[in-house]
Amino acid sequence: DTAVSQTPKYLVTQMGNDKSIKCEQNLGHDTMYWYKQDSKKFLKIMFSYNNKELIINETVPNRFSPKSPDKAHLNLHINSLELGDSAVYFCASSQGWDSPSVFGQGTRLTVV
Amino acid sequence: GENVEQHPSTLSVQEGDSAVIKCTYSDSASNYFPWYKQELGKRPQLIIDIRSNVGEKKDQRIAVTLNKTAKHFSLHITETQPEDSAVYFCAALKIQGAQKLVFGQGTRLTINP
Repeated sequence: DTAVSQTPKYLVTQMGNDKSIKCEQNLGHDTMYWYKQDSKKFLKIMFSYNNKELIINETVPNRFSPKSPDKAHLNLHINSLELGDSAVYFCASSQGWDSPSVFGQGTRLTVV
Repeated sequence: GENVEQHPSTLSVQEGDSAVIKCTYSDSASNYFPWYKQELGKRPQLIIDIRSNVGEKKDQRIAVTLNKTAKHFSLHITETQPEDSAVYFCAALKIQGAQKLVFGQGTRLTINP
């Protein structure tokens, strides 16, 4: 009965690889988000989707591409991974379209 | 753009005492201010929020106050307990330009038994 679930929880990969993180919510929320939390714990929005439509697209490298096949899923694909991409990535959702109310458990990405 | 400053960055209080965390924001049109708690290794959790049409909101031991004129808001935790130890984030909803939530830098709160 997990509300917002993301997989995998841990991801260790080499520089230059391409990887994906999946996120699903069963709350019936209309909006989903991706946040990046760096080593200093700073939380920064990357993308948000409302009913499969892109709402926010922050200044992130275009190596990051979100995909929302339906309003319950928002996946994040990252091409040509770099050392600086190492962080915890959180998926989140909300009924409204401006701020997250429920976060996923996070995916700790380590690029070596 | 919107800037949210949060202080202090670390806070240590004795169990049973009160803790106060303060935030200031720059976008005077901001109208929604949530607070999140993140325990070590866990996900952020929304614990309380306040909208700009009220000055204070309480939920058991936690309360949030908002001063729109001064553009600052605060989180108050009374009768602190060890399980209150966590990183707390304030946030403000930026209205001007693309509407999005901007987070403060976080406060690591430690409750000493």
